Amino acid sequence: GDSVTQMEGPVTLSEEAFLTINCTYTATGYPSLFWYVQYPGEGLQLLLKATKADDKGSNKGFEATYRKETTSFHLEKGSVQVSDSAVYFCALRSISSGSARQLTFGSGTQLTVLP
Amino acid sequence: DAGVTQSPTHLIKTRGQQVTLRCSPISGHKSVSWYQQVLGQGPQFIFQYYEKEERGRGNFPDRFSARQFPNYSSELNVNALLLGDSALYLCASSLGPRGSHEQYFGPGTRLTVT
Repeated sequence: GDSVTQMEGPVTLSEEAFLTINCTYTATGYPSLFWYVQYPGEGLQLLLKATKADDKGSNKGFEATYRKETTSFHLEKGSVQVSDSAVYFCALRSISSGSARQLTFGSGTQLTVLP
Repeated sequence: DAGVTQSPTHLIKTRGQQVTLRCSPISGHKSVSWYQQVLGQGPQFIFQYYEKEERGRGNFPDRFSARQFPNYSSELNVNALLLGDSALYLCASSLGPRGSHEQYFGPGTRLTVT
């Protein structure tokens, strides 16, 4: 079945540091890939997405490139801010989801940015 | 525009009891999905409904059931609660069930089973 493996946390960085959170996946065919962010006490917000190989999703300074050859979708940001502190989830939606097209999530990575 | 709303925000129940969680989708959205997020883990798919029909079900026992109403709102019911059912229950709405239809999540209902 479909699965997502992401870098375990927690990750602690100083403000303005470079961020990478690794994500790899297993899926049938050509899934769509997503990064969601969850701030304390809140639901999930879509951060960025990519729907085909070599696509780059980007939003709020975050980027991720869909790499089919390595089945990866690593999240990067050049300069993190304290306000980026949150839990980040990598997810996929695959054709093997059937008609439901549900999301399959990784276990999440807790990011803390210190001033 | 209002986003996805869920009620109640928090809920405490005792083992063996039954619980009903509610979700109102974004106006114009006809599909609702339910996810369970246990503390420290990613969300797991429970159900998807579209036009009042069940479109998919995750690997959850029959104690879990759901339905969608003509106004596209939805209820998730869990019977015979177990301690392991303690989690954040997330509802997501989308225009439809297609993979291209983005899912928008509500703030969730925090269920604690004692």
